[in-house]
Amino acid sequence: DTEVTQTPKHLVMGMTNKKSLKCEQHMGHRAMYWYKQKAKKPPELMFVYSYEKLSINESVPSRFSPECPNSSLLNLHLHALQPEDSALYLCASSQGRGRSRNTEAFFGQGTRLTVV
Amino acid sequence: QKEVEQNSGPLSVPEGAIASLNCTYSDRGSQSFFWYRQYSGKSPELIMSIYSNGDKEDGRFTAQLNKASQYVSLLIRDSQPSDSATYLCAVNPFSSGSARQLTFGSGTQLTVLP
Repeated sequence: DTEVTQTPKHLVMGMTNKKSLKCEQHMGHRAMYWYKQKAKKPPELMFVYSYEKLSINESVPSRFSPECPNSSLLNLHLHALQPEDSALYLCASSQGRGRSRNTEAFFGQGTRLTVV
Repeated sequence: QKEVEQNSGPLSVPEGAIASLNCTYSDRGSQSFFWYRQYSGKSPELIMSIYSNGDKEDGRFTAQLNKASQYVSLLIRDSQPSDSATYLCAVNPFSSGSARQLTFGSGTQLTVLP
């Protein structure tokens, strides 16, 4: 089972709203990621959690706030977004550190976010 | 700056033909290599991973890796219209552990014509 589940699939929010994106995996992966993807561009890494600790924050504005409540769940809290933040937000997971032989990352189906 | 280069395309092939997608990377120390397929409006789907020089076959897909030339390719045999998508090449400096340094190419748009 290589499933990463994201909710919601679509989200429209105003610039003053607060919303959260959710991601869940049950593959026992210990690394989870948030990516942002604009049209016709590759995914851009935003945050990396390794063993539930934030290990990379790629200079993302503070209006994006990640949270990893446990090894299976990853949230992205959104507040005071701008229209240019409209994009496909992707969650991914991989096995993480250790003796695992591979670094394969599996993506969820994404949340299409529109900021109005 | 680690870079992964792909021809953006679009690449068009007739149904039943072999589609050849190419990718070069700048970090000579890279250890793991991936091909993702992304349909329009959907998320990337991992279709091939390769770690050693040579060919790796999975159904109609063959990944080829040449670390000396810093080159990885994806061949799709007997191409079908359902293969029409953007194909993303991704490279990781590590062969184990986190995928935190995964670098994506800009993608090649493939169209298979019926």
